Amino acid sequence: SQKIEQNSEALNIQEGKTATLTCNYTNYSPAYLQWYRQDPGRGPVFLLLIRENEKEKRKERLKVTFDTTLKQSLFHITASQPADSATYLCAPSSYNTDKLIFGTGTRLQVFP
Amino acid sequence: DGGITQSPKYLFRKEGQNVTLSCEQNLNHDAMYWYRQDPGQGLRLIYYSQIVNDFQKGDIAEGYSVSREKKESFPLTVTSAQKNPTAFYLCASVGGIEQFFGPGTRLTVL
Repeated sequence: SQKIEQNSEALNIQEGKTATLTCNYTNYSPAYLQWYRQDPGRGPVFLLLIRENEKEKRKERLKVTFDTTLKQSLFHITASQPADSATYLCAPSSYNTDKLIFGTGTRLQVFP
Repeated sequence: DGGITQSPKYLFRKEGQNVTLSCEQNLNHDAMYWYRQDPGQGLRLIYYSQIVNDFQKGDIAEGYSVSREKKESFPLTVTSAQKNPTAFYLCASVGGIEQFFGPGTRLTVL
């Protein structure tokens, strides 16, 4: 069955450093992959989408990579700030499906 | 101001009672989804609807029911058959690929 793995342990980093979160998937070949941010007690918010033919995508301090050979996406936040503290969810998907499957998310904590 | 609204934000229910969670969107999206989130777990799909008057079961539909009589509304009923209903419930709509989520309803069974 399709499986998405994100590091369940919280990632704690110091302000100003680059945070790197990992999303691994098995048993399917997604055409694209989305990243969402979720704050406690709130709904997830869309951040970035990367397609299978794109190796890298950037948006301000965010960078996402997508390696279809390794079946992995990396999500980077450069110059991290305490306001970046949240849980980040990945969701690999295909165009021929109407369901989006989310990973369990990785909690990021940025301390001053 | 476009978006998705869910109500109420907090809901308390006695065991054996049915309860309905509201989800409304003014984004003119065809597809709507209901998810359940438990502490430390990801989002699990309960039901989804691609178009008015049609809906499909997700991965954990047992004990839940939905209706889609209007494009903008997709209410979820948590029935007494749901064994462990205490959770955070999220509604989402999709216009293209990106999912837009509501603020969620936290249901607690007393």
